[in-house]
Amino acid sequence: QVQLVQSGAEVKKPGASVKVSCKTSGYTVSGYYFHWVRQAPGQGLEWMGWIHPNTGDTSYAQKFQGRVTLTKDTSIATVYMDLTGLKSDDTAVYYCASAPPYTHYFDFWGQGTLVTVAS
Amino acid sequence: SYVLTQAPSVSVAPGQTARISCGGKNIGSNSVHWYQQKPGQAPVLIVYDDSDRPSGIPERFSGSNSGNTATLTISKVEAGDEADYYCQVWVGSGDHHVFGAGTKVTVL
Repeated sequence: QVQLVQSGAEVKKPGASVKVSCKTSGYTVSGYYFHWVRQAPGQGLEWMGWIHPNTGDTSYAQKFQGRVTLTKDTSIATVYMDLTGLKSDDTAVYYCASAPPYTHYFDFWGQGTLVTVAS
Repeated sequence: SYVLTQAPSVSVAPGQTARISCGGKNIGSNSVHWYQQKPGQAPVLIVYDDSDRPSGIPERFSGSNSGNTATLTISKVEAGDEADYYCQVWVGSGDHHVFGAGTKVTVL
């Protein structure tokens, strides 16, 4: 059974950084990509980037270039999203989601992590 | 950048058919994917590659894509279908993913 389990809610001050984890389990096929998508309160979904857990290759949305870093620790089957220079409009629920090999849709999602940026 | 346009809301009576559109320039040449999101929950994939359904998704959910519009159709709408629905495509040039703004489906 596939599961993506994310770390808990965070409260950060403007200018700080946040690191959200996403522990993966149950994947029987290799080659999945892991993406990060965020959703501001009352707003829609916004794609941030992806990481390939085997190669460590990454790709980021232009909007987040230079501020977001995706990493992985294959020994514990976990991927991470690090966002720096937090602003109030970074307040959102951050989701990790998986994409099967050679596809571009998100078949499983984590439960989401609320990051609140406030002074 | 590529823009996907969705109507903010659609209302439908139980048992009727809801059609949710997703407009984009020549979207018919892209594969479109649809997600359902209920309040406080993560999105769930309900249609991928224009018209395929993941296992466990009822046949009442179907999709089509042609020209400048993709459509998600929900037949025999039930109260439990009340949710936000998002379309999504991958834009190969630039390797990025785009979501529509979402359509809120209200069951009357």
